[in-house]
Amino acid sequence: DTGVSQDPRHKITKRGQNVTFRCDPISEHNRLYWYRQTLGQGPEFLTYFQNEAQLEKSRLLSDRFSAERPKGSFSTLEIQRTEQGDSAMYLCASSLEGRGDGYTFGSGTRLTVV
Amino acid sequence: AQSVTQPDIHITVSEGASLELRCNYSYGATPYLFWYVQSPGQGLQLLLKYFSGDTLVQGIKGFEAEFKRSQSSFNLRKPSVHWSDAAEYFCAVNDYKLSFGAGTTVTVRA
Repeated sequence: DTGVSQDPRHKITKRGQNVTFRCDPISEHNRLYWYRQTLGQGPEFLTYFQNEAQLEKSRLLSDRFSAERPKGSFSTLEIQRTEQGDSAMYLCASSLEGRGDGYTFGSGTRLTVV
Repeated sequence: AQSVTQPDIHITVSEGASLELRCNYSYGATPYLFWYVQSPGQGLQLLLKYFSGDTLVQGIKGFEAEFKRSQSSFNLRKPSVHWSDAAEYFCAVNDYKLSFGAGTTVTVRA
């Protein structure tokens, strides 16, 4: 297994456009998480899935954000009508169930909204 | 709700010197604690974790951390720093999701 993969690595978009990011987790991991990280800050939780079920969404996840994990495999995060404040690194992670398991993170997608 | 605080925003250390990064946690029960490292433009790599047993845990890259319940701390240490240790370090606590501190940036000078 090659770990958690995220695509694309970088995305530059104009304000108002829609963007979609993809995350492929480690195959045997049933949990998948999305985090957002801005410069100089720690990652902030956005949402997580257990298999295909989305179990929690942060208040940070406005109505313009939507995440899916069809069939409990890869996940997509879509941002509609992007704003400059959406510029950040979007990190995906996966884990097995259980608090003692650390997450395996992907390399992230760097979004710049111009 | 669980949380962690990293009091030091930036630390500069000389190559070969020792390093200690502070982390304080707030959690009602037995915490599951982690340290991650992030190089510029990269994702996060797990250094070590603690959830029970020996309060001194060993991790990768020569790092260790000590859990002190009385001080609500989980400080990260390395006896001798290498230039490649320059990175950002995050402490995190896991309830059912990881919550991260703001991070400490480590600069290594020659």
